[in-house]
Amino acid sequence: QVQLVESGGGLVKPGGSLRLSCAASGFTFSDYYMGWIRQAPGRGLEWISYIGNSGSLINYADSVRGRFTISRDNARNSLFLQMNSLRAEDTALYYCARDLMGGRSSNWFDPWGQGTLVTVSS
Amino acid sequence: EIVLTQSPATLSLSPGERATLSCRASQSISSYLAWYQHKPGQAPRLLIYDASNRATGIPARFSGSGSGTDFTLTVSSLEPEDFAVYYCQQRSNWPLTFGGGTKVEI
Repeated sequence: QVQLVESGGGLVKPGGSLRLSCAASGFTFSDYYMGWIRQAPGRGLEWISYIGNSGSLINYADSVRGRFTISRDNARNSLFLQMNSLRAEDTALYYCARDLMGGRSSNWFDPWGQGTLVTVSS
Repeated sequence: EIVLTQSPATLSLSPGERATLSCRASQSISSYLAWYQHKPGQAPRLLIYDASNRATGIPARFSGSGSGTDFTLTVSSLEPEDFAVYYCQQRSNWPLTFGGGTKVEI
């Protein structure tokens, strides 16, 4: 079955960096656009980044643009999020999610992974 | 940025009752709206996309309606497993945005 498993979260100091990974299985990864969405403690969902199936289309929320970089390795069925210059407000559970439609962009997300927790604190 | 406002923030109902959740967009988004269900400790799940299309495997008791700026998610008869937080999301414009959520509680 389709599975997305995030990893790489942890505790980091303000100004530090982390690289999140998302391992995909159960579907043809290279056919699907992918996204990252986060949820800060006690808050709602916030979309942060999106990447096309070949990596040529990329978009970011203003809150992370210039600090975060999304990428993918289709040969390894993996999605990444490089997070630099981390701030306390980046503390959240980070989910990777697959686009609903294969071969094109729908900007709907289904399914989602279980998330990986990032805590930014001194 | 398109702001999605969900109401009410909390809905207190009993199993078997009908739930009606609202999502209002700050400008017209045509039918470019989805609904997700989120339970504690679980991954969010897509319920409805393009305002009224049920995602694969979603029970028929979930239905979506609306267009333009006003949208509704209806659960015709609540099952115990339906008590969760529900979010709407728009894809009309970048950035993609989510509403603040409605918690459906017993």
